[in-house]
Amino acid sequence: NAGVTQTPKFRILKIGQSMTLQCTQDMNHNYMYWYRQDPGMGLKLIYYSVGAGITDKGEVPNGYNVSRSTTEDFPLRLELAAPSQTSVYFCASSHGTGGSSNQPQHFGDGTRLSIL
Amino acid sequence: GENVEQHPSTLSVQEGDSAVIKCTYSDSASNYFPWYKQELGKGPQLIIDIRSNVGEKKDQRIAVTLNKTAKHFSLHITETQPEDSAVYFCAASTGGFKTIFGAGTRLFVKA
Repeated sequence: NAGVTQTPKFRILKIGQSMTLQCTQDMNHNYMYWYRQDPGMGLKLIYYSVGAGITDKGEVPNGYNVSRSTTEDFPLRLELAAPSQTSVYFCASSHGTGGSSNQPQHFGDGTRLSIL
Repeated sequence: GENVEQHPSTLSVQEGDSAVIKCTYSDSASNYFPWYKQELGKGPQLIIDIRSNVGEKKDQRIAVTLNKTAKHFSLHITETQPEDSAVYFCAASTGGFKTIFGAGTRLFVKA
């Protein structure tokens, strides 16, 4: 049982490049999330999904896109990388029922992304 | 907007002493309060959580208290050990899909 797996662990991008951060979970959780963590700050929600085929914006969605074609996978796409997107990105999942996500979130180990 | 304030930002204690981290939330509809521990190079991991119908919860050396009237909740770690050194995050959720995280407390436990 691997939990939440994120790839790659590290990446350096040039301004204007694009890339996809991969996230997969094997706990059959219906809810999945993408956060970014900047130094000295808490986690900011980028996008979330309540199930396959359903995604919605969080607090800081600009510059990112997501898709959820399966329960297990929730990739995050950066189309035109900008220096402001240098951050550590965490994917998380949780079990939820009845429209409530008040359950513990399980996090991956993050992707450290630098944009130069 | 919704906000969670966390104090202190850094805390240094001697091994065996207690550590207390405090959080204040702004949204009175918040009803779920998890605490996460993040070790270097890892993602946050849940260590304890509390729901709004409970005032205190304990799990071995870790306890959390909640004061809904004052919108405060705190993490207490007793008999600290070097392996408790990490960054701790508090969070608050209203039951929707948005969890608001505090900025984190870096705890150092000196042997």
